[in-house]
Amino acid sequence: GEKVEQHESTLSVREGDSAVINCTYTDTASSYFPWYKQEAGKSLHFVIDIRSNVDRKQSQRLTVLLDKKAKRFSLHITATQPEDSAIYFCAASPQVVGQLTFGRGTRLQVYA
Amino acid sequence: EAGVTQSPRYAVLQEGQAVSFWCDPISGHDTLYWYQQPRDQGPQLLVYFRDEAVIDNSQLPSDRFSAVRPKGTNSTLKIQSAKQGDTATYLCASSDPGQGLYEQYFGPGTRLTVL
Repeated sequence: GEKVEQHESTLSVREGDSAVINCTYTDTASSYFPWYKQEAGKSLHFVIDIRSNVDRKQSQRLTVLLDKKAKRFSLHITATQPEDSAIYFCAASPQVVGQLTFGRGTRLQVYA
Repeated sequence: EAGVTQSPRYAVLQEGQAVSFWCDPISGHDTLYWYQQPRDQGPQLLVYFRDEAVIDNSQLPSDRFSAVRPKGTNSTLKIQSAKQGDTATYLCASSDPGQGLYEQYFGPGTRLTVL
């Protein structure tokens, strides 16, 4: 089955700097790649997704890049703010509805 | 609009005991998911429904776990005889893909500890 690896378990950045979280996947059939955020003591919250028909998607300060050849995708956060501090999970699925395979999460700490 | 609600929020059991988790998805969402999230790991899908039908339960340990969604709205996940390895947070999520909305909305979870 699909395996999703998140390469950074923790990431610490200064407020205002950029943060990049990288994920790889194994199943070439995967075509949908969402990102979720989990703040301390709270549940998961959707932040952005990308489908395999594009290689880049931006929403305000968030950009997702997808390299299908390398089976790699990444979340870029610009101008980080303290409220960006959370655990970020990447996920992959062969379709937009159904089984998401999640990575183990990256704890992002934004410090002043 | 109310989000996904789950109860109970916490449960502590001895091995061998049974427990049920309840989920109320967002109104109108036809797809409902149950995930198990062990500590310091990502969620792992157990089962998902479209309306009342089970679409995929291949990751559900069928000897001890069961899940139902009889009227296509609320859902119950039951563990018949809990083991220490079942200690985790159980998350329910819902989505409405028929409206082209693929993101999953997660509930607060039930944190289960099996002693």
